[in-house]
Amino acid sequence: GAVVSQHPSWVICKSGTSVKIECRSLDFQATTMFWYRQFPKQSLMLMATSNEGSKATYEQGVEKDKFLINHASLTLSTLTVTSAHPEDSSFYICSASPTQGYGYTFGSGTRLTVV
Amino acid sequence: GNSVTQMEGPVTLSEEAFLTINCTYTATGYPSLFWYVQYPGEGLQLLLKATKADDKGSNKGFEATYRKETTSFHLEKGSVQVSDSAVYFCALSDPLGSQGNLIFGKGTKLSVKP
Repeated sequence: GAVVSQHPSWVICKSGTSVKIECRSLDFQATTMFWYRQFPKQSLMLMATSNEGSKATYEQGVEKDKFLINHASLTLSTLTVTSAHPEDSSFYICSASPTQGYGYTFGSGTRLTVV
Repeated sequence: GNSVTQMEGPVTLSEEAFLTINCTYTATGYPSLFWYVQYPGEGLQLLLKATKADDKGSNKGFEATYRKETTSFHLEKGSVQVSDSAVYFCALSDPLGSQGNLIFGKGTKLSVKP
């Protein structure tokens, strides 16, 4: 149980275009999902906390107008990278927890390459 | 603030060697502690966890004990296999955070040679 599905697993896009990444909890409801970004050879950095039915909470330094998060249902959160640039190329991972203290289940990640 | 520090890699071992990856943390309150593993090309997977002092988490031959007196959660395995080659992340859940998000160490890459 506690499976999180993330799609797509990889995407290549041109500079200036937008890319949407989906994160779904398949067998549980998640009022909260987290979006992380992983830079090469570095750890995951929390970008934002996605809250079902309300605005996302962004970490300091993360541009909310560039990284649009929508959590429209209890099983789906989306991250849209708008007007992507090469420096946005990274590995993006979402996570969710069915209950507090359970631990967190992660999606398989999305490798974004902006050319 | 809360933070996690883990030994830098890469760590290269021969098959059947003993593994220790050190992890120490700084936190207010009583966080839960986790080890995650990331195999090549995949997302993170929860390896084990401990929710209170002196708890021992274990899974797939890996163990880690929550040591509050030394603020540590070192990962150990008695005999590693080639299939254990991956990046290992130590993490804590902020006990005071309203959302309980995780704080990660930088990860330690383990390579096991046959």
